[in-house]
Amino acid sequence: QSALTQPPSASGSPGQSVTISCTGTSSDVGGYNYVSWYQQHPGKGPKLMIYDVSKRPSGVPDRFSGSKSGSTASLTVSGLQAEDEADYYCCSYAGNNNLVFGGGTKLTVL
Amino acid sequence: EVQLVESGGGLVQPGGSLRLSCAASGFTFSSYWMTWVRRAPGKGLEWVAKINEDGSEEYYVDSVKGRFSISRDNAKKSLYLQMNSLRAEDTAVYYCVRGGRASFGYWGQGTLVTVSS
Repeated sequence: QSALTQPPSASGSPGQSVTISCTGTSSDVGGYNYVSWYQQHPGKGPKLMIYDVSKRPSGVPDRFSGSKSGSTASLTVSGLQAEDEADYYCCSYAGNNNLVFGGGTKLTVL
Repeated sequence: EVQLVESGGGLVQPGGSLRLSCAASGFTFSSYWMTWVRRAPGKGLEWVAKINEDGSEEYYVDSVKGRFSISRDNAKKSLYLQMNSLRAEDTAVYYCVRGGRASFGYWGQGTLVTVSS
């Protein structure tokens, strides 16, 4: 049950696009299409942004998109806005009813 | 509106016990898996435990097996986490979450557990 690997930080200017990676193994990210992404602002509970690799819950802007290649999942935020500045976490099903999160990425909007 | 409200956090000494509760409303509680997730200070999210709809299946992260116990009372629409033999590394904000796979659409605001002498 090792944590998924995310870059500690990412940044971009308003209007730009930024991609956050989430690397696991064939036992988690690479083995299942059950990857989700969460946004967390300080003092708030996490918010689901992407589920099942690339599906977007209703209410989440289409600026947020998800994908997966092999054992690496990615979250892309297009048209960056100031309110996108937050911590982002990936999560994957890891078999045998286990779940694993990534270490988190702090996204800064310059 | 779906609401999850945690309670029961606080300061406890190493080796002590604490019971967290989560009051659910706005959805049919008995139809969903429920999960506890925590975030330690300066660290990322960590899945802690999950329980199926009728409470017959429970699963835990290795670091809490044998010390923590998840349970639920569907009549009271409540989720619980009994935490025993607490360690400093259990210090975290604990979130009550609806769901059991890797798609958690509803989270509580969290309750802080501090393990310190």
